Amino acid sequence: LAKTTQPISMDSYEGQEVNITCSHNNIATNDYITWYQQFPSQGPRFIIQGYKTKVTNEVASLFIPADRKSSTLSLPRVSLSDTAVYYCLVGDIFSGGYNKLIFGAGTRLAVHP
Amino acid sequence: NAGVTQTPKFRVLKTGQSMTLLCAQDMNHEYMYWYRQDPGMGLRLIHYSVGEGTTAKGEVPDGYNVSRLKKQNFLLGLESAAPSQTSVYFCASRPRGQGIETQYFGPGTRLLVL
Repeated sequence: LAKTTQPISMDSYEGQEVNITCSHNNIATNDYITWYQQFPSQGPRFIIQGYKTKVTNEVASLFIPADRKSSTLSLPRVSLSDTAVYYCLVGDIFSGGYNKLIFGAGTRLAVHP
Repeated sequence: NAGVTQTPKFRVLKTGQSMTLLCAQDMNHEYMYWYRQDPGMGLRLIHYSVGEGTTAKGEVPDGYNVSRLKKQNFLLGLESAAPSQTSVYFCASRPRGQGIETQYFGPGTRLLVL
């Protein structure tokens, strides 16, 4: 199982771009990189997933370099409502019913006015 | 379409008491999961189920039992609660054959064991 390392916390201000980097040196060939967002008193919510290069959706962008040993979640122009914990997960997403994904401690993002 | 619901939302138990947490989903998903989340930590998988009538152990199964008698329900039982089981419990579900991005989580059950 690929272990991930991400900053414990980050601070930003409204309107800024936020980049959260995750290290996963032992990523395997079949592993995907998935990011979840969790608001206080709620369950995690999927935000983006990728295998290599760049993925973009209406919420965020995910940048993955060629060696895939790290990834960066980019949140454009954050607002107060983006204050949450962000989890980087690495694993084989098609591994049957068993989630081999590991939720680490995540990165606590605080957005200030 | 309520998605994934959990009952109760909050419960206080005394050491040694038993209780059952209920997870229900109305999306006809085959896979269901129970996680626990402790302060400052991520989610850890307790048990999971790949279909009605089947269950399997996750990372931290000790002290818990589960049952999946109906496809839409996944029950988590604590036979003899311990203070170490104080946590927030999340249920999740996902359709078979789909990737992890299709996994949906419930709102959580906060359990305090005294």
